[in-house]
Amino acid sequence: GENVEQHPSTLSVQEGDSAVIKCTYSDSASNYFPWYKQELGKRPQLIIDIRSNVGEKKDQRIAVTLNKTAKHFSLHITETQPEDSAVYFCAASMGSNYQLIWGAGTKLIIKP
Amino acid sequence: EADIYQTPRYLVIGTGKKITLECSQTMGHDKMYWYQQDPGMELHLIHYSYGVNSTEKGDLSSESTVSRIRTEHFPLTLESARPSHTSQYLCAVGRRDGNSYEQYFGPGTRLTVT
Repeated sequence: GENVEQHPSTLSVQEGDSAVIKCTYSDSASNYFPWYKQELGKRPQLIIDIRSNVGEKKDQRIAVTLNKTAKHFSLHITETQPEDSAVYFCAASMGSNYQLIWGAGTKLIIKP
Repeated sequence: EADIYQTPRYLVIGTGKKITLECSQTMGHDKMYWYQQDPGMELHLIHYSYGVNSTEKGDLSSESTVSRIRTEHFPLTLESARPSHTSQYLCAVGRRDGNSYEQYFGPGTRLTVT
C-alpha cells in the first residue's frame, strides 16, 4: 500500500527566513497531494494542494512543488512569520474515492 | 457553509466503561472519517464511511466500532475504555471544492481514561 514519509520532524527557522518541508510517497498511482496546517490546540486545516498534472502551485507565501519521477513533493514557506508556527502534515491520495495517506508531521518553529 | 460537530468536547471516564463519541455534519457529505491523534502527532485513521450503511476499518480500528445509519451522523463507540485510549479523537468529512478534495475536521473530543 501507499506510504508517505515526511522530513524533518522538527524545523526551526529565523523569522523572515524560508522553510522547506519534504515528503516522499511510494505508490506511483497517487495523484493528489494536499498539505494541512495544525496550530496548537486546533484542528488540521487544508492550506494548499497539488495534482499530479501540475509541477508547482503557489498561494501568496506558500508553494508546493511535485516531482513525479522522484515521487516527492515539498512545501515551501517564504518570509516566515510567527503565525506560521504549527505542525504541518503532507498527504497523498489516488483520488477523492480513496483515503488520504498521511505523513507523520513536521513541527515548524519560527524564532523571533 | 458546511460544519461538523463533535460531542462531548472533553470526557474523563474510568477503565472498562463503554463510551460513544458523537459526530454530526449539516451539509450531507457522504464521506466521513474518524482519526485518533495525540497532540501534534501523527493522524491515525480508525474508521471511515463512504455513505449510509457503508463503514470500513482503518489502521487503528481494533476495540472500536462505528455506524452510519444516517448521512448526518457517524458515531464512534469504544466497547471497553482503556488508559491507552487516552487521546484526541477527530471526525472529518470529505468535501470537494473545485479541484481540491478536502478533509474538513471537527473540533475534536479529548478523551482521558483513568
